[in-house]
Amino acid sequence: KAGVTQTPRYLIKTRGQQVTLSCSPISGHRSVSWYQQTPGQGLQFLFEYFSETQRNKGNFPGRFSGRQFSNSRSEMNVSTLELGDSALYLCASRRTGGDEKLFFGSGTQLSVL
Amino acid sequence: AQSVAQPEDQVNVAEGNPLTVKCTYSVSGNPYLFWYVQYPNRGLQFLLKYITGDNLVKGSYGFEAEFNKSQTSFHLKKPSALVSDSALYFCAVRGFNKFYFGSGTKLNVKP
Repeated sequence: KAGVTQTPRYLIKTRGQQVTLSCSPISGHRSVSWYQQTPGQGLQFLFEYFSETQRNKGNFPGRFSGRQFSNSRSEMNVSTLELGDSALYLCASRRTGGDEKLFFGSGTQLSVL
Repeated sequence: AQSVAQPEDQVNVAEGNPLTVKCTYSVSGNPYLFWYVQYPNRGLQFLLKYITGDNLVKGSYGFEAEFNKSQTSFHLKKPSALVSDSALYFCAVRGFNKFYFGSGTKLNVKP
């Protein structure tokens, strides 16, 4: 069974631009969540989607948004990029209904110049 | 509020020695606790979890964790460290439909 796939692996953008990251969950997993990882800050929760609906949201500005499609694939968008948005963005999927284990992709490393 | 603390940024241990990576938590209700490991340029991998039952939980790669309710701790342990255990370790707690991660502890195992 294929794991969680995130594309692209690396991105370089400049301030003010916008970016879209993609995540394909493990087949059969309907929950997809996104995290921002920066050195010293650990993982900060961005949002979780389940059956195309945002179920939870972390404390990030409205520039961060996401969506989930009917095939459970998810995208995350960051508009008006700032230098502080440089981070590793991780996507995780999980099977719902009692299994609390998260399966992570390798992440998208975003650098904002 | 739900939170997780990993008090050590880095833990150094010699190969063959026992290792402990510390984690304390704060959660309303019964805790769902997890440990994940991250190798360079990779996402996080699940090691083990505590939902209920025995306080000593066994996981992947010979790791185990001890749940201590009175001390609100969930320390990760391994009896004999390997150089290949060197990685970044994250403790996490699940509450209110969210996962809360600690800031991570870098484990260095020296030959």
